Amino acid sequence: DTGVSQDPRHKITKRGQNVTFRCDPISEHNRLYWYRQTLGQGPEFLTYFQNEAQLEKSRLLSDRFSAERPKGSFSTLEIQRTEQGDSAMYLCASSYQAGTGDETQYFGPGTRLLVL
Amino acid sequence: QKEVEQNSGPLSVPEGAIASLNCTYSDRVSQSFFWYRQYSGKSPELIMSIYSNGDKEDGRFTAQLNKASQYVSLLIRDSQPSDSATYLCAVLNYNDMRFGAGTRLTVKP
Repeated sequence: DTGVSQDPRHKITKRGQNVTFRCDPISEHNRLYWYRQTLGQGPEFLTYFQNEAQLEKSRLLSDRFSAERPKGSFSTLEIQRTEQGDSAMYLCASSYQAGTGDETQYFGPGTRLLVL
Repeated sequence: QKEVEQNSGPLSVPEGAIASLNCTYSDRVSQSFFWYRQYSGKSPELIMSIYSNGDKEDGRFTAQLNKASQYVSLLIRDSQPSDSATYLCAVLNYNDMRFGAGTRLTVKP
């Protein structure tokens, strides 16, 4: 399977615990995005990387959230001191940005987080 | 005003009919427009992208873009029960992708 993969697919944690999610993008894609989606809403942008550089972070991304893409390949999203409001589907997407304006993002299967 | 607005639905059409999904956006400089389909509990999957004014057809799907009216639509011809899903409109402005809340479509056999 050469699509975007995410791990784990489901995570249940207790409030106050730290969690880390992993995303492996499509191999030739240079951009990687993280989104959060809650029930009945569209995905909300959290952050994105161009290769290993984190170029933009949403105001939604509090200081409890951190993301890395150390070698420009896979990425991790960590949530520290989880809160019940963090319960959501966390989606990763990747794209190839060639400067032509044509940038289709392909999504992974998501990680569904439940904070008890 | 939301940046990307869609009718939340639900939109219900009989099998074989045309389903029409609409989306408006607020940022005039938006460059690229996408329709994603999302089944319940699954991640979004790309249906179509459109970048220029006019129509773009792909099989049973036709995307229409009118930048002057800041409007993009998706027509699904010969709707099938398997088309029942939430359809997300997404608008890209440089590096910033914004999604609508989605329209839930039900195709009844």
